[in-house]
Amino acid sequence: GDSVTQMEGPVTLSEEAFLTINCTYTATGYPSLFWYVQYPGEGLQLLLKATKADDKGSNKGFEATYRKETTSFHLEKGSVQVSDSAVYFCALSDRSNDYKLSFGAGTTVTVRA
Amino acid sequence: GAGVSQSPSNKVTEKGKDVELRCDPISGHTALYWYRQRLGQGLEFLIYFQGNSAPDKSGLPSDRFSAERTGESVSTLTIQRTQQEDSAVYLCASSLGGTSYNSPLHFGNGTRLTVT
Repeated sequence: GDSVTQMEGPVTLSEEAFLTINCTYTATGYPSLFWYVQYPGEGLQLLLKATKADDKGSNKGFEATYRKETTSFHLEKGSVQVSDSAVYFCALSDRSNDYKLSFGAGTTVTVRA
Repeated sequence: GAGVSQSPSNKVTEKGKDVELRCDPISGHTALYWYRQRLGQGLEFLIYFQGNSAPDKSGLPSDRFSAERTGESVSTLTIQRTQQEDSAVYLCASSLGGTSYNSPLHFGNGTRLTVT
């Protein structure tokens, strides 16, 4: 079945550092890919998405590029802030069940001032 | 506006007891989902509602788990004869319906269930 594997955390870094969280997937079809984020005390919310190869999703300074050849969707941000401290979840949606998301385990990121 | 609301936020129960978890989705959202997250694991899909119908119940782990939705609004997830392996955070999400690409899921804060 479909699955998502993402970098284990926790990740701790200083403000203005570069952040990357690796995500790879296994899918029988051609999935859509997502990053969801959970800020402290809040529910998960969509951060960015991409639907086809070489698409780049971006939001709030974060970017991820859909790489079909490496089945990856790594999340990056060039200069993190304390407010980026959160749990980040990579997810996919298979086109045959496009209402449903399969999630990775989540990566906890803490940014220190 | 109001987001997805779940209650209770925490529930501790004894093994063998039944529990009921509640989800109030965003008004107007026709799709509703239940997920489960065990410690250190990803979110595990349980069930999907479109309106009051559940076309996909494939993630319910056993017949001890059931869910219903009424009035295209509130949903309850019931776990009968709870076991320790049921301990997890149970998350509810809602969306406008359609594909997950076009209609992002909005999640509640979850119910943390501990079975002792």
